[in-house]
Amino acid sequence: GIQVEQSPPDLILQEGANSTLRCNFSDSVNNLQWFHQNPWGQLINLFYIPSGTKQNGRLSATTVATERYSLLYISSSQTTDSGVYFCAGTAYSGAGSYQLTFGKGTKLSVIP
Amino acid sequence: EPEVTQTPSHQVTQMGQEVILRCVPISNHLYFYWYRQILGQKVEFLVSFYNNEISEKSEIFDDQFSVERPDGSNFTLKIRSTKLEDSAMYFCASSVPGSGELFFGEGSRLTVL
Repeated sequence: GIQVEQSPPDLILQEGANSTLRCNFSDSVNNLQWFHQNPWGQLINLFYIPSGTKQNGRLSATTVATERYSLLYISSSQTTDSGVYFCAGTAYSGAGSYQLTFGKGTKLSVIP
Repeated sequence: EPEVTQTPSHQVTQMGQEVILRCVPISNHLYFYWYRQILGQKVEFLVSFYNNEISEKSEIFDDQFSVERPDGSNFTLKIRSTKLEDSAMYFCASSVPGSGELFFGEGSRLTVL
């Protein structure tokens, strides 16, 4: 089955600091997404990034598919960045749909 | 930007009651999904739906659960007789055919007392 592992499990940052979150995934994964779950439990789509690099404001993500990992960079962190960051991978099931398998998440706390 | 919308954002119900969670997927999407997240745990796949029938379902999706697309825009998840362990965040998602990118709604929190 699909394996998605995230590190670190917990991260505490001072406001303004930068951070890198890592996601390792198994061979069968061919699509990858990053999400932010805010303290109210809402799941926010961040990036769909099967390979390459994308940037959105202070956030960017890089996936190196050949080496089975993805990185999420957060620069100049703000308290509103706090929450849990999930990566999730899909493998085409053959039935037409894609099942996402989520990692356990990285819980980020940004302190003022 | 188009988005998946879910209602209600929070529902409190008594054990044994029926609950219906509603979702409006993005308009040109044809695959629909429900995922569940028990507090403090991973987000888990429940079911996928295409062309008015279930495409795939997980072991969690037992006879207590059903899905329906009643009117061409809404996609619903029904829990027939809720149990305490059904308390969770339920997320709806949608995608276009052939794409591995799923778009998620913000979730519906279900609390069963």
